[in-house]
Amino acid sequence: AQKITQTQPGMFVQEKEAVTLDCTYDTSDPSYGLFWYKQPSSGEMIFLIYQGSYDQQNATEGRYSLNFQKARKSANLVISASQLGDSAMYFCAMREGSGNTGKLIFGQGTTLQVKP
Amino acid sequence: ETGVTQSPTHLIKTRGQQVTLRCSSQSGHNTVSWYQQALGQGPQFIFQYYREEENGRGNFPPRFSGLQFPNYSSELNVNALELDDSALYLCASSLGAGGYTGELFFGEGSRLTVL
Repeated sequence: AQKITQTQPGMFVQEKEAVTLDCTYDTSDPSYGLFWYKQPSSGEMIFLIYQGSYDQQNATEGRYSLNFQKARKSANLVISASQLGDSAMYFCAMREGSGNTGKLIFGQGTTLQVKP
Repeated sequence: ETGVTQSPTHLIKTRGQQVTLRCSSQSGHNTVSWYQQALGQGPQFIFQYYREEENGRGNFPPRFSGLQFPNYSSELNVNALELDDSALYLCASSLGAGGYTGELFFGEGSRLTVL
């Protein structure tokens, strides 16, 4: 069973508009962390935002916010005011447990294209 | 602050050969993780090194091995290369203790093609 599911292989958004990238997860561990990474064509994975399972509020980082719905096991990324430079592959990932292990479980990714 | 650097960026090998990929972790980070990313897929965890010891391994065969050095740089070695080993290999560094998110900082990867 997939632990991280990203159901949108590709998304288009008009420049300056907002877009939501979907992510659902599956874990029986009460302690976990959820991450979003951006991967441009260069290959580097760029950290965007983090949400801990015990965090009461949704995480925000500049134009990025994470819509965390624990009961639904979803952690959607919202990008506001899209820019051309946002065009990239986006990955949702999960770390299980409370330790700072380097093991993340990644989804299949969503390709985002921002139209001018 | 120096980021994560990987070498080589691209390389081509033939089936049965051996390859060594290198990674310099971000300054101050003592944990290195390696990931394999096949084309069009998400990265898959290979293993992690913390203070020069393997400290967690994914579902990869023993021909995938690694090292971490006292300066926290790392190597990934793959023996008896197979066609399916063709992928982008990503190295990520992090703090093994402390830090709230323990976020991983990735390099740009080494793209391996096996012919």
